[in-house]
Amino acid sequence: DGGITQSPKYLFRKEGQNVTLSCEQNLNHDAMYWYRQDPGQGLRLIYYSQIVNDFQKGDIAEGYSVSREKKESFPLTVTSAQKNPTAFYLCASSTSHRGSNQPQHFGDGTRLSIL
Amino acid sequence: GENVEQHPSTLSVQEGDSAVIKCTYSDSASNYFPWYKQELGKGPQLIIDIRSNVGEKKDQRIAVTLNKTAKHFSLHITETQPEDSAVYFCAASTGRGTGTASKLTFGTGTRLQVTL
Repeated sequence: DGGITQSPKYLFRKEGQNVTLSCEQNLNHDAMYWYRQDPGQGLRLIYYSQIVNDFQKGDIAEGYSVSREKKESFPLTVTSAQKNPTAFYLCASSTSHRGSNQPQHFGDGTRLSIL
Repeated sequence: GENVEQHPSTLSVQEGDSAVIKCTYSDSASNYFPWYKQELGKGPQLIIDIRSNVGEKKDQRIAVTLNKTAKHFSLHITETQPEDSAVYFCAASTGRGTGTASKLTFGTGTRLQVTL
């Protein structure tokens, strides 16, 4: 089955620690995205990537970093500079070669909490 | 940047009734408006979308309408069923052409409860 796999489902971070969230897709999509979801709020864009070895900051990139070394993978690192990392993190992907505004497909998220 | 407002934040309807969720957007250049359904502990799932060259789109019990002049769009669910209970999000995007990613701005969500 084609889809997006996020791991782990739950993650705990200690103070001063960096943690990395995994996102893998086998949909052959060019574009990938990371969103943060807080209770009672919509999804907010952290970073996105239109193609391998390229990525752009979204609306709330401070305290986060990403890489895009392979088409299938777009890991997100939550650094110690992110002072309020507790949230539900969602990864998405979309094709981009059929024109703009193609539907984004989401994984089932990683819930990050502070110890 | 784009701002999307969504109302109501919670909505309770009886099974079989209709549900309507409304969103407004601020950027007149927005041209793509998807709606997502999110169940507890899961990622959002696209249920319907509409582009700015269309005023209405239907898919079985679900329909979306778009008023570009007023900059608002709405989701209509008819004959609601208990399995429609979830959180629904609207979003808006200003796509720039082939090869570009779609930067979605989301509303804050509507929790729909369908009661028996």
